Amino acid sequence: EAGVAQSPRYKIIEKRQSVAFWCNPISGHATLYWYQQILGQGPKLLIQFQNNGVVDDSQLPKDRFSAERLKGVDSTLKIQPAKLEDSAVYLCASSLDFGVRNTEAFFGQGTRLTVV
Amino acid sequence: KQEVTQIPAALSVPEGENLVLNCSFTDSAIYNLQWFRQDPGKGLTSLLLIQSSQREQTSGRLNASLDKSSGRSTLYIAASQPGDSATYLCAVRGNYGQNFVFGPGTRLSVLP
Repeated sequence: EAGVAQSPRYKIIEKRQSVAFWCNPISGHATLYWYQQILGQGPKLLIQFQNNGVVDDSQLPKDRFSAERLKGVDSTLKIQPAKLEDSAVYLCASSLDFGVRNTEAFFGQGTRLTVV
Repeated sequence: KQEVTQIPAALSVPEGENLVLNCSFTDSAIYNLQWFRQDPGKGLTSLLLIQSSQREQTSGRLNASLDKSSGRSTLYIAASQPGDSATYLCAVRGNYGQNFVFGPGTRLSVLP
């Protein structure tokens, strides 16, 4: 079974530039999450999708971050314009529908963003 | 709002020791709890998933317990090995389709 795929693995940009990350979840997984992990901390949720609908985006800085999940499969996360404090690892995860008992979350390798 | 803490923040042990990592959460209305391992520069690898109705789960040298009423989970690692060196994270999921809330992690070093 293929895992969660993310690209790119690394990205270095200057502040005020824009950047986009891509995620392909495990086939059949309805729920997709984007997390931000700052060095030395646990991951923090940015946005949660169920199919192509947003379940929770309460911690997404909407003035600069946006995310979409067209057709309920792949997802992209965009930052525009980037700030120095956005330097972090961006993790994508997926899980089966909440109504299914086995709701184990599977994570991708992450994208390490450095803003200079 | 769910808050998750982990103790200790860092732990260094000689090879062969048995050890316990602790995870505490403030809201006992959880759906499940999941333990992850994270190697430097890598994503998260799932270790064990405990449903809210379960008391423990075992996988190889790992045993995770859950006491929902007291808001605690422990991860027991038997006969530790240098390859166990990593950061261990616990995450809890709420009852209503909520996301996983993570603790800050315990950084484990197993010395040969």
